[in-house]
Amino acid sequence: AQKITQTQPGMFVQEKEAVTLDCTYDTSDPSYGLFWYKQPSSGEMIFLIYQGSYDQQNATEGRYSLNFQKARKSANLVISASQLGDSAMYFCAMSKNRDDKIIFGKGTRLHILP
Amino acid sequence: EPEVTQTPSHQVTQMGQEVILRCVPISNHLYFYWYRQILGQKVEFLVSFYNNEISEKSEIFDDQFSVERPDGSNFTLKIRSTKLEDSAMYFCASSELANSPLHFGNGTRLTVT
Repeated sequence: AQKITQTQPGMFVQEKEAVTLDCTYDTSDPSYGLFWYKQPSSGEMIFLIYQGSYDQQNATEGRYSLNFQKARKSANLVISASQLGDSAMYFCAMSKNRDDKIIFGKGTRLHILP
Repeated sequence: EPEVTQTPSHQVTQMGQEVILRCVPISNHLYFYWYRQILGQKVEFLVSFYNNEISEKSEIFDDQFSVERPDGSNFTLKIRSTKLEDSAMYFCASSELANSPLHFGNGTRLTVT
């Protein structure tokens, strides 16, 4: 069965520092996708970044990058030059190509300190 | 940018009543989903819908729940005989392809009293 693990329930980081949010996953399927979503206090779910299991390069989107280490089954999110507006809950998620659903980890609450 | 819209944003209902949560997915998307998030907890998959039928459902999605796409644009979640533990934020999502990123609506906060 698929499983997503986020071991950091909460993090405090100084503004302008880089942040790494951890995510490990477990699947026996060779083909899968990995996602990160941001949920601010207002509650909406915002898609940040996607990594396919066969992608050779780590995904990047602006200040977000995904550190994909396939052998270790990890998909950490790196946020460079953090901003106050980055304070939110962050969810790692995974899909298998035989299924169409995405399952989510428990999330990490990130607090950016001024 | 096109977005998924959900109505109402907040619904309060009494235990035992039926509620219908409504969603308008992005127009060219083919896959539709409902997720639930109990306050402060993880986002849980309820059901996926493709080609006018349920493609997968979780163990949460029992006979109390049903989904419909009645008119080619709306996608509804019906919860019959609501219970206190159904209180949660319900998110609708859609995607263009299977396994492509989900686009979420802003959610409906359901409060069962």
